[in-house]
Formats: sequence, structure tokens, C-alpha cells
Amino acid sequence: QKEVEQNSGPLSVPEGAIASLNCTYSDRGSQSFFWYRQYSGKSPELIMFIYSNGDKEDGRFTAQLNKASQYVSLLIRDSQPSDSATYLCAVMGYTGNQFYFGTGTSLTVIP
Amino acid sequence: GAVVSQHPSWVICKSGTSVKIECRSLDFQATTMFWYRQFPKQSLMLMATSNEGSKATYEQGVEKDKFLINHASLTLSTLTVTSAHPEDSSFYICSARVVGDREGGETQYFGPGTRLLVL
Repeated sequence: QKEVEQNSGPLSVPEGAIASLNCTYSDRGSQSFFWYRQYSGKSPELIMFIYSNGDKEDGRFTAQLNKASQYVSLLIRDSQPSDSATYLCAVMGYTGNQFYFGTGTSLTVIP
Repeated sequence: GAVVSQHPSWVICKSGTSVKIECRSLDFQATTMFWYRQFPKQSLMLMATSNEGSKATYEQGVEKDKFLINHASLTLSTLTVTSAHPEDSSFYICSARVVGDREGGETQYFGPGTRLLVL
């Protein structure tokens, strides 16, 4: 079983809609959770992190964490074509010595 | 967030030559840096973890004699691809572990990446 699993997509949403990206992880003791955005041909860019159960909002982005279900998600409200990218979920393990990345979900926002 | 730079951003070389890629933390000290490789339309693959002042830890299947890593200072890690071959052509990305820049622990920030093309 992979440490972090994401639906590879592709996920397509119309402009202005809410995009929902999901991630599950296997290590129940994981401490921190991250969402990175990677544009084609570029390196990943950190956009959100969360470490407490519940929701965390930053502008149009909301990260949701449910440790009991070992589930973390990213909601993008009012999606824009510039949000089209691959979104990587990352989990910091219990020991803090390892980051585990998912394979990424490709998002396309259609104008 | 913390800034990580890589140099060069592009490398084209002949088969059999060695290529050195530098990864620098610009506004912080990084005791731990990571090296990743990404082939087109594939996910990130962790190659090795680079710790300042000690030997790098390589992931299974990564040849340590092929990919030499040196983390000689708190702001610089280098990856040398020795005797590069066309199959080594890829996007090489470094990242640095930052501790204490946010509530709750540590974060990992990526450099812009280096594209290597071996002819």
C-alpha cells in the first residue's frame, strides 16, 4: 500500500466552479499535511499546509483534514483557468524524517 | 516562504560526461535537502536525502556511485550525475527542509529544477 494516494484524474471543472481534490494516507501517526501545485514544466510550489483536524482557509483555497478517516482534501473555490495544474498531496510521517508525496491529481479548469 | 535556488536551470551534454547541479538555500540554513527526479508526465521520485556533513541516504534502486551527492555546507548541496547517458535525461529538483517557519513543525520548499538532456 502506498503511503499517500491520490486520484490521478484528470479532473475537469468549469471556470467559477469548486474543484475538490482528495488524498488518503496510510500512516495514522502522520503529523502534517501539505498541498503543492505544480505547473507543467515547473517545480512544485507549496500552497497550503494543515496539521489540525478541521478546515483551514486561505483565500480561495480550503484544506480539510480528518485524521480519523486518514483523509485530507483541497477545495478550490471560484476556479480559474490559471488553477490548471497538477496538485500534489504530501504527508509528513510520524518521525518527521520523511515526506511522502502522492502521485498528483491533474486539474483542468475550462474557461 | 523560504527560497531555494538551483543552478543551472538547463544542461545539455554529451553522453559520458559528468554534470554537477547545485542547490542553494538563499535565506536560511538547511541541514537536510532532498533530490528528486521527474520524468515527463510522471510523479516525483525521491532519489536521496542529503544531510549536511554526512553521507547522503539513497532510495532503493538509485545508484550512489552514479549520482554523487555532497552537502558540504548548510546552504549548499550538489548532485553530480557521473558518466551521464541519455536515459539520465530528466527534470532534477531539489528541496530543502525548513524547521520552525510555521506553527506545527517543518515544511519542504522546492528549487526551480534543472532540466538535463544527455545527447
